[in-house]
Amino acid sequence: NAGVTQTPKFQVLKTGQSMTLQCAQDMNHEYMSWYRQDPGMGLRLIHYSVGAGITDQGEVPNGYNVSRSTTEDFPLRLLSAAPSQTSVYFCASSYSGLPEDTQYFGPGTRLTVL
Amino acid sequence: AQSVTQPDIHITVSEGASLELRCNYSYGATPYLFWYVQSPGQGLQLLLKYFSGDTLVQGIKGFEAEFKRSQSSFNLRKPSVHWSDAAEYFCAVGAGYGGSQGNLIFGKGTKLSVKP
Repeated sequence: NAGVTQTPKFQVLKTGQSMTLQCAQDMNHEYMSWYRQDPGMGLRLIHYSVGAGITDQGEVPNGYNVSRSTTEDFPLRLLSAAPSQTSVYFCASSYSGLPEDTQYFGPGTRLTVL
Repeated sequence: AQSVTQPDIHITVSEGASLELRCNYSYGATPYLFWYVQSPGQGLQLLLKYFSGDTLVQGIKGFEAEFKRSQSSFNLRKPSVHWSDAAEYFCAVGAGYGGSQGNLIFGKGTKLSVKP
């Protein structure tokens, strides 16, 4: 199986544009999440989902929307991009969301907002 | 509030030397602790994790970590570093942030450079 996949790998946006970062997993995992990684900040949780139809906010949710219509997919939407959203975005998944479960991370999407 | 501190931003060691990366956490109960590694341009890979039991845990790639409750620490060690270990290392705690215990709080990372 492919694990956690993310598209695109790189994206450049202008301020105010919208876009969707795609994340998919083929491991039948219930739990999925989005993190952003900024230099010197580590990874910070944006949104997460514990199953299809269930989403919740993380530490830094402002400016981002998510939905979970299927178990496999967990897209992250930027409705009106801002330069502060320039970052590397990682999607992760685990079987049930319990901390004992290993979380698998995707390769990341590097987003630049001009 | 839960937090993770990695005091060292950047460490350089010689190939073959031993390595210890420091991690301190703040959490009221027994935490779930993790170490991840990120190679340049890559995603994160789990090295090891601690939940309970033996406080010395073994991971992949020859890494180990020791949980010390009295010091709120979970330091990562390797007896002999290889050039391929050059990467960024993140300590994380699974602290139930936001209502799901699967949510992780990460430290800011320690970048490891290896001298030949």
